[in-house]
Amino acid sequence: ETGVTQTPRHLVMGMTNKKSLKCEQHLGHNAMYWYKQSAKKPLELMFVYNFKEQTENNSVPSRFSPECPNSSHLFLHLHTLQPEDSALYLCASSQDLMNLGDTQYFGPGTRLTVL
Amino acid sequence: AQKITQTQPGMFVQEKEAVTLDCTYDTSDQSYGLFWYKQPSSGEMIFLIYQGSYDEQNATEGRYSLNFQKARKSANLVISASQLGDSAMYFCAMREGWRSSRLSGGSNYKLTFGKGTLLTVNP
Repeated sequence: ETGVTQTPRHLVMGMTNKKSLKCEQHLGHNAMYWYKQSAKKPLELMFVYNFKEQTENNSVPSRFSPECPNSSHLFLHLHTLQPEDSALYLCASSQDLMNLGDTQYFGPGTRLTVL
Repeated sequence: AQKITQTQPGMFVQEKEAVTLDCTYDTSDQSYGLFWYKQPSSGEMIFLIYQGSYDEQNATEGRYSLNFQKARKSANLVISASQLGDSAMYFCAMREGWRSSRLSGGSNYKLTFGKGTLLTVNP
């Protein structure tokens, strides 16, 4: 596997379910990110991890809970979501987030539908 | 105020022709970075090209080039010799330097994206 992978690619869940999204990067990067992409809205940054430490929580509701056990893996735990949380969730990684030109490489995303 | 403005919701181009996708940005920082990404219908955001604010030359990457006009705060993407596979959403994004980030209370980790332009290449 190369690049950034995400599983599952599609997820349908009820408002009372608990599920997790998984992201894995094979690029040897140190930083990982979760983004939310809703229809007709720009990409929104949710969380940033650098060397496994969370460095940014962009005012995300607590029903979204990230976990970064190591620099290669990132999870997004979901519970009691709302229908408006339906979106494409994109994971990204980058080498050195302190560098202005640091390029973020994205995974294919998880298309989440909350019923 | 929007930091990244992409005024073209949709663009059409004939195969093998060149196309320019517009992007203007707003920042008071002297140091910033500009990125273009492509998002096909499959969903993955694919990095295309990067321009640093201090780079004197316009960035080029294969068929992609960035027309960087600093005084006008524009960073238009030029795709030469369009191919059918170029049909996708294209996003312009900016990363500001530490000064703006601290003044706004944010961080400079964030890529601020525009709303995108949907490019359709016709055969």
